[in-house]
Amino acid sequence: DTGVSQDPRHKITKRGQNVTFRCDPISEHNRLYWYRQTLGQGPEFLTYFQNEAQLEKSRLLSDRFSAERPKGSFSTLEIQRTEQGDSAMYLCASSLVGGKGAYEQYFGPGTRLTVT
Amino acid sequence: GDSVTQMEGPVTLSEEAFLTINCTYTATGYPSLFWYVQYPGEGLQLLLKATKADDKGSNKGFEATYRKETTSFHLEKGSVQVSDSAVYFCALSYSGYSTLTFGKGTMLLVSP
Repeated sequence: DTGVSQDPRHKITKRGQNVTFRCDPISEHNRLYWYRQTLGQGPEFLTYFQNEAQLEKSRLLSDRFSAERPKGSFSTLEIQRTEQGDSAMYLCASSLVGGKGAYEQYFGPGTRLTVT
Repeated sequence: GDSVTQMEGPVTLSEEAFLTINCTYTATGYPSLFWYVQYPGEGLQLLLKATKADDKGSNKGFEATYRKETTSFHLEKGSVQVSDSAVYFCALSYSGYSTLTFGKGTMLLVSP
C-alpha cells in the first residue's frame, strides 16, 4: 500500500527564484490537498482538487502560488519569486470522497522549503 | 470562523504516566473532530476521530470523547511509552467540506 509521496523532501532556494513541488497521492484517491506548516504552528489549508478541478483556494494562496493537477493524479505546487516568508513545510494530503471515510485525509512527509 | 485551541507544550512525562492533552474548538456548525500525530521526520498520521457528539474515538491506547457541551475533544492515554513522543494536533472538519482546521500542536516528550 503506497502512501502519499512528495518530492523533493528539502529545497533551499534564493529569494526571487521559482520553485516547484510535486505530490503523488494514494492512487485511488480523488481529492488532493495542499497545506503549509510554519514552525510551531499547525498546518494551514492552501488549496484542494477534486480530480483535476481546483475547487477551493485559501486567501493564503497569493498570486505567486499556483497549483495544478492536470490529469487528476499527481499535483504540482509552484511558488514564483520566492520570499523569505515562504519558508515552511508544504504538506500534501489525499482522500477518497464517497468512500467509508470520505473526509479522512492521508498526509505525505512534506517538502521543507528554505528561502535564503 | 472556526478554530482549534490546544494546550501549549511541551508536555513532559515519565514512561507509564497518564496523559491528557486538552483541545477545545469553536465552530459554526457540527464538525467532525480528529487527532493527528506527527513523529519526528514523518508526515501527519490520523490517530483517531469522532464524527458526532458523545462519540469516543480510540486507537493505540489513546482515547478522546467529543463533548459538545464543553466544545472539547481532549486526548488521553492511560500509560504512555517513550515511542509516543511526538507532536499531537487536534483538528476539525465538516463532512463534505474538505479542509481541516488544525490547532498549533502539542509536543509530548516521554522519558524512560
